[in-house]
Amino acid sequence: QSALTQPASVSGSPGQSITISCTGTSSDVGSYNLVSWYQHHPGKAPKLMINEGSKRPSGVSNRFSGSTSGSTASLTISGLQAEDEADYYCCSYAGSSTYVFGTGTKVTVL
Amino acid sequence: QVQVVESGGGVVQPGRSLRLSCAAFGFTFSSYAMHWVRKAPGKGLEWVAFISYDGSNNYYADSVKGRFSISRDNSKNTLYLQMNSLRAEDTAVYFCARDPGWKVLRYHFDYWGQGTLVSVSS
Repeated sequence: QSALTQPASVSGSPGQSITISCTGTSSDVGSYNLVSWYQHHPGKAPKLMINEGSKRPSGVSNRFSGSTSGSTASLTISGLQAEDEADYYCCSYAGSSTYVFGTGTKVTVL
Repeated sequence: QVQVVESGGGVVQPGRSLRLSCAAFGFTFSSYAMHWVRKAPGKGLEWVAFISYDGSNNYYADSVKGRFSISRDNSKNTLYLQMNSLRAEDTAVYFCARDPGWKVLRYHFDYWGQGTLVSVSS
């Protein structure tokens, strides 16, 4: 159960778009279209942003979008805002009712 | 309003035990699978354990298998994590989280608590 690989940090100016990658293997991301993304402000509860690769839950801004290609999933934040500054984690179902998270990406709004 | 609230964290010596609780509010707890997820200082989120809505199935991360036990009391709307043989590397904030599927799995986590801190130190 090795963690999915994410860049440690991504930054952008307000209004710009950024993309966070999440690379797994054929045993997790590549086998199941079940990648979810979470926003985490330290000290608070993580928040679901994307589920099943590209589905946006009710209440999540349409500036957030997700996609998957092969064993790599991606989260794109468009129209970057100061409030988007947080840690972001991907997570994939890995079979046998187990899950694996990504290493996490710190998003900085310049 | 859906809410889950963790409790039971604290400072514990290596090799000792601790039991965490997660109280659920605002939804039919007995119809939803639940998870424990943790975040160690300076590290990322790590999935720890899963339990089905009726408690009949549970699964664990390799890092805690054989030491941790997840359970639930649907009459009390409460989830538990029994942690035995604790190690320094178990130091983390522990979150409980809900799978949003009603008696089925949706394979993600829609509601999370704010977590409870477990510190394993002599």
